[in-house]
Amino acid sequence: EDQVTQSPEALRLQEGESSSLNCSYTVSGLRGLFWYRQDPGKGPEFLFTLYSAGEEKEKERLKATLTKKESFLHITAPKPEDSATYLCAVKTTDSWGKLQFGAGTQVVVTP
Amino acid sequence: GAGVSQTPSNKVTEKGKYVELRCDPISGHTALYWYRQSLGQGPEFLIYFQGTGAADDSGLPNDRFFAVRPEGSVSTLKIQRTERGDSAVYLCASSPTGTGKETQYFGPGTRLLVL
Repeated sequence: EDQVTQSPEALRLQEGESSSLNCSYTVSGLRGLFWYRQDPGKGPEFLFTLYSAGEEKEKERLKATLTKKESFLHITAPKPEDSATYLCAVKTTDSWGKLQFGAGTQVVVTP
Repeated sequence: GAGVSQTPSNKVTEKGKYVELRCDPISGHTALYWYRQSLGQGPEFLIYFQGTGAADDSGLPNDRFFAVRPEGSVSTLKIQRTERGDSAVYLCASSPTGTGKETQYFGPGTRLLVL
């Protein structure tokens, strides 16, 4: 059975304190791995897509990387506005439309 | 441009009632998806439309749930005989063509509370 597991469940950071979030996955075949950000009371907002092991994507203070078993979302020198829940999701080769999500990591950045 | 919109934003109903939730996808997007999100969890897939037809409805939990997209644009998720366990945020997403590697863009969700 396909599984997506995110850790930690919650993360509290001081402003400027860099850290990493983990998304480990067990799937039959990976079509793509997606990172989303979700603010309270809102829908998920797209951040990155990664397709193959070794791929990296960057956007401002965020950098996503992918291996054959997991993905990391690195947050460099975070600011309070980076506080959100970060979701990862996989699309497998046997499912054309379905995204399978992890439970998310809730990040709080304090000034 | 306009993103995915969903109405109502909040819906409170009583156990046993019928509800309809509406989704307006991004203009021109042929693929539309419904997900359900419970508190503290990631979204859970319900159904995926390619045009007017349901390409994958494997996530619908039972026959009380039904979704339509008659003209290939707006979609309605219908829940009959609602139960307290149906309380959740119902999210809609769309993508340009539904090909396997596309990004799905989400709406703000409808928060359903069944009393």
